[in-house]
Amino acid sequence: LAKTTQPISMDSYEGQEVNITCSHNNIATNDYITWYQQFPSQGPRFIIQGYKTKVTNEVASLFIPADRKSSTLSLPRVSLSDTAVYYCLVGDKNSGYALNFGKGTSLLVTP
Amino acid sequence: EPEVTQTPSHQVTQMGQEVILRCVPISNHLYFYWYRQILGQKVEFLVSFYNNEISEKSEIFDDQFSVERPDGSNFTLKIRSTKLEDSAMYFCASIPLTQGYGYTFGSGTRLTVV
Repeated sequence: LAKTTQPISMDSYEGQEVNITCSHNNIATNDYITWYQQFPSQGPRFIIQGYKTKVTNEVASLFIPADRKSSTLSLPRVSLSDTAVYYCLVGDKNSGYALNFGKGTSLLVTP
Repeated sequence: EPEVTQTPSHQVTQMGQEVILRCVPISNHLYFYWYRQILGQKVEFLVSFYNNEISEKSEIFDDQFSVERPDGSNFTLKIRSTKLEDSAMYFCASIPLTQGYGYTFGSGTRLTVV
């Protein structure tokens, strides 16, 4: 699995847009980029997945440049309840392989 | 929205005792997993299970651990002789065959070994 690098922590105020960037220089052709969210004492929750360009769902957007060596998770207008750890993972979508979680980005949203 | 259900939510056991953690994956999912997270550390893969057998396991998943799908709905993780360092949150997860990385995780079992 390709290694990912993301900031350890980020702070934001309520109502702002938050962009968390992940580097994955060794991403393979078949790899997809997936983001998970984890609240304390809860299991990770799937947020969004993409291969290239832009993906948007009701929760977030995922921007992937043409070289796919990085990706940016964008959370519009965050609220206090978005305070969580966010993980970027890269791997083959069509495999049942294990997820390799890093330390993630701890996002703190304050009033 | 379908959920992965784990029981118990919290279990306290004495060192050396056997524990069984239970999970009910989403009914049409075919891959099942156990992960653990020691307090303050990252989520770690333990084992994956497909077609009634282990498909992959980590170094953590030694002979003290076993998994079973006894009745077609439950998926269990057994730790034969617990150690203090087994204290952690244990998460079960499942995915359908074709969805790939959109795992659904359960809310976890907090295991405390005393």
